[in-house]
Parts: sequence; C-alpha cells; structure tokens
Amino acid sequence: AQKVTQAQTEISVVEKEDVTLDCVYETRDTTYYLFWYKQPPSGELVFLIRRNSFDEQNEISGRYSWNFQKSTSSFNFTITASQVVDSAVYFCALSRSNYQLIWGAGTKLIIKP
Amino acid sequence: SQTIHQWPATLVQPVGSPLSLECTVEGTSNPNLYWYRQAAGRGLQLLFYSVGIGQISSEVPQNLSASRPQDRQFILSSKKLLLSDSGFYLCAWSITSTGYNNQPQHFGDGTRLSIL
Repeated sequence: AQKVTQAQTEISVVEKEDVTLDCVYETRDTTYYLFWYKQPPSGELVFLIRRNSFDEQNEISGRYSWNFQKSTSSFNFTITASQVVDSAVYFCALSRSNYQLIWGAGTKLIIKP
Repeated sequence: SQTIHQWPATLVQPVGSPLSLECTVEGTSNPNLYWYRQAAGRGLQLLFYSVGIGQISSEVPQNLSASRPQDRQFILSSKKLLLSDSGFYLCAWSITSTGYNNQPQHFGDGTRLSIL
C-alpha cells in the first residue's frame, strides 16, 4: 500500500531557528515522485518542490532545503533561519500512477517572533 | 502564464439546498483537473479528478458530483447539501502526463463552505 506519514502534527520554534519537517513514504513502485506544498493561513496551496525517485541529490533553494533518502524512504524539508512568514501547514505528497497524489496529514509550523 | 480561478471564496448554505462551485483554468489546454475537500485542521481528500471533457473519476462515494462541460472548466455540484459537506474546497490543475503522475498540481484559492 502507498502511504505518506508526517508524524509531526505541529512544530513551534522561535524566529531564526532552523526547523526540519519529516516525511516518510511507503510505495512498491520503482518510479515515483515526491512533492512538498505549503498552505499559509490564507488557505491556498503552493507547490514548493518535486523530486523523482531516481534523483537523490539534495536540493537547496534559498533558506529551503530538501533531503531525499531512498534507504530510509524519507523526504525531509529543512527551513534555515526561519521567519514568521514561514508559518503555514506543510504537506508532503507521493505520486500514484493514476493521476493522483497520496497526501500526508500535514505539519503545522508556527514561527514565533 | 497559467492561472486558476475558483469561486465563490466563501459560501453559507442551508441544509438541503443545492450547490454549484466553479473552477476555470487559463493559459493551458487539456489540463488534468481536481476537486479536493479539506476539513478544518485536516489533510486533503480527493473528491474527483478529470483527464478530459466529460471524463470524471470519483474517489469517494458522496452526495456530490462533478462535471467538466468545457476543457478548462470544472464544476462541483450537489442537489441537497448535508451538514457533513462543510469544509474548504480546493480546485487544482496539472499538466497532462502519461503514465505516472509526475506533474505538480496548482491550486485555486479555495471556497470555504459552511452548511447551516
């Protein structure tokens, strides 16, 4: 069965701290894609990154970085020097072959000033 | 560039009333289209997806239905709303892909539906 687990329901840190959001997935597929989305308080979901199963290189985009490890079936997301504007719910998702995504339950990130 | 429009932003409806939420996409052709529901503080539940005009796949049995009368128009409907239909409804689109769903989905701003 395919599944995405985001075990951290809510994380609260003080501004400028680094924070890592965990994502663990289960799939029997050899080809798959993983995604991260951000949902700020306004509600819309914003696409952050896509990673395919054959590319295990870590990715960095400004203060955001992603660590993909097939050996542990994890695709973790780190925010460096967090800011209040990073406060949001973050979702990890896994692709399925029939046009769908398997979504994690989300992690609510609270950045305190 | 591609844009997605979803309306209304907020809707309050009595139990038993009908529903029609509309979503349109601009700047792309033959997109995959999706309707999701998100209960308060919860994750996303896929309701319907469509890979072409008139082609609708339903994921969860319910009193909602979806239609795609035009290539870039996706409508979510109900004949009689239930209290349990309350939630945040999101429309999304993605580029058509063959085989694996490797394209990111792009979301509208959502509709907050309250049933009284």
